[in-house]
Amino acid sequence: ETGVTQSPTHLIKTRGQQVTLRCSSQSGHNTVSWYQQALGQGPQFIFQYYREEENGRGNFPPRFSGLQFPNYSSELNVNALELDDSALYLCASSREVGQSGANVLTFGAGSRLTVL
Amino acid sequence: AQSVTQPDIHITVSEGASLELRCNYSYGATPYLFWYVQSPGQGLQLLLKYFSGDTLVQGIKGFEAEFKRSQSSFNLRKPSVHWSDAAEYFCEVYDSWGKLQFGAGTQVVVTP
Repeated sequence: ETGVTQSPTHLIKTRGQQVTLRCSSQSGHNTVSWYQQALGQGPQFIFQYYREEENGRGNFPPRFSGLQFPNYSSELNVNALELDDSALYLCASSREVGQSGANVLTFGAGSRLTVL
Repeated sequence: AQSVTQPDIHITVSEGASLELRCNYSYGATPYLFWYVQSPGQGLQLLLKYFSGDTLVQGIKGFEAEFKRSQSSFNLRKPSVHWSDAAEYFCEVYDSWGKLQFGAGTQVVVTP
C-alpha cells in the first residue's frame, strides 16, 4: 500500500508569482484534502476534493484553487502569492464518505513554500 | 463558535516519566476525535481516534486517550516517555457536518 506523496518538497517563490503543488493519494483513497500549516500553528483546512469536485472549503480566498484528477491525485494552485502564504502545505487522503475509516486522514510529508 | 484548544504550547518531560497532553473542544454534539503526531519536517501521523463506544482508546506507540463528555476533553497520555516521542502533537476534531479543525499543537521536549 503506497502512502501519500507530495511534490515538490521545498520551493521558493516571489510575491505575485503562482505556484502548483501536487499530491498523489494513498491507494484505495478517493478523497483528498489540503491544509496550510504556518510556522508554530496547527494545520488549517483549505479544501477537499471528491470525485474531481470541490467538496468543502475553509476560510481561504479564491486565489487558492485545486483540481482532482481521475486517478484521485490532486493539485493545489495559489495565484498572486503573498508573503503570508509561506507555510507547509499538507495533503491528506481518505476513503469515500460513508465507508469505514472515511474520517481517518493519511498525510503526506508536505511541501514547504517560502515566498520572498 | 466551534473550537479546539490545546492549552499547553510546550511541555518538557524527562525520559521515562509520564506524559499527558490536554485537548478541549467546543462543539454542539460529540464529534469524532483524533490525535496526530508530527516529527520535524514530516507530515502528520495518526496516533489514535475516538468515534464512539469505550471512552478509553489505545493507539500506536504506547499512547492512549480518554474521552470525557462532561469535560469536553480528549486528553492524550503515555505512561513512560521515550526520547523518540519528542515531536509536536495535534488534537483534531471532526463534527457531524463535516467540519474539521486542528488544535494549535503541543510541542513535547524529552530530556535525558
